[in-house]
Amino acid sequence: HLQLQESGPGLVKPSETLSLTCTFSGGSISSGSYYWGWIRQPPGKGLEWIGTIYYSGSTYYNPSLKSRVTISVDTSKNQFSLKLSSVTAADTAVYYCARRGAGSYFDSWGQGTLVTVSS
Amino acid sequence: QPVLTQPPSASASLGASVTLTCTLSSGYSDYIVDWYQLRPGKGPRFVMRVGTGGIVGSKGDGIPDRFSVLGSGLNRYLTIKNIQEEDESDYHCGADHGSGSNFLVVFGGGTKLTVL
Repeated sequence: HLQLQESGPGLVKPSETLSLTCTFSGGSISSGSYYWGWIRQPPGKGLEWIGTIYYSGSTYYNPSLKSRVTISVDTSKNQFSLKLSSVTAADTAVYYCARRGAGSYFDSWGQGTLVTVSS
Repeated sequence: QPVLTQPPSASASLGASVTLTCTLSSGYSDYIVDWYQLRPGKGPRFVMRVGTGGIVGSKGDGIPDRFSVLGSGLNRYLTIKNIQEEDESDYHCGADHGSGSNFLVVFGGGTKLTVL
């Protein structure tokens, strides 16, 4: 049974760095058939793609967030992580991690975790 | 990059049908769009992929036969027949753009479907 689970602080102060981890179970994150991504949904707004990583470490970032985003992968723990620096209230959102096939869609998602940016 | 536009809301009575629309910006009529269902209290799930020729590939796991798609021009449609209470969700469309270091994914603003 495939499962992705986000974890990390639910509250981050402005100007600090948001850090989240996604743990994948039911398979190997090192499978060459898949990419691993982060997507967020601010309150009352649509989904926003943050970025995607391949198990080898190749990354693809949303140009609008690229200067503040780092996505990394730890194959030994079957995890991948998101770091978003210099956060503001505009970064308050539900953050999802997801899996996608090459040239394909996001076929498996975590339940999401709400991160609030506030002092 | 394409812009995907969705009406913010839609409604339909129990047992009726509804069609949700995702409109691509001009110049992107050949783009494939992915539909996702965001269910309250649950993670999003993939519904199906649609191009101008209709469904691309297979439906997502657990998606009933009541769900279907069509594509025409700049529009990508998701139709739900015999609507059930569990279909009340937000529906988002997304599309890939570019390749290599220029790759990105864009999403529409989502449509909130209310079952009356």
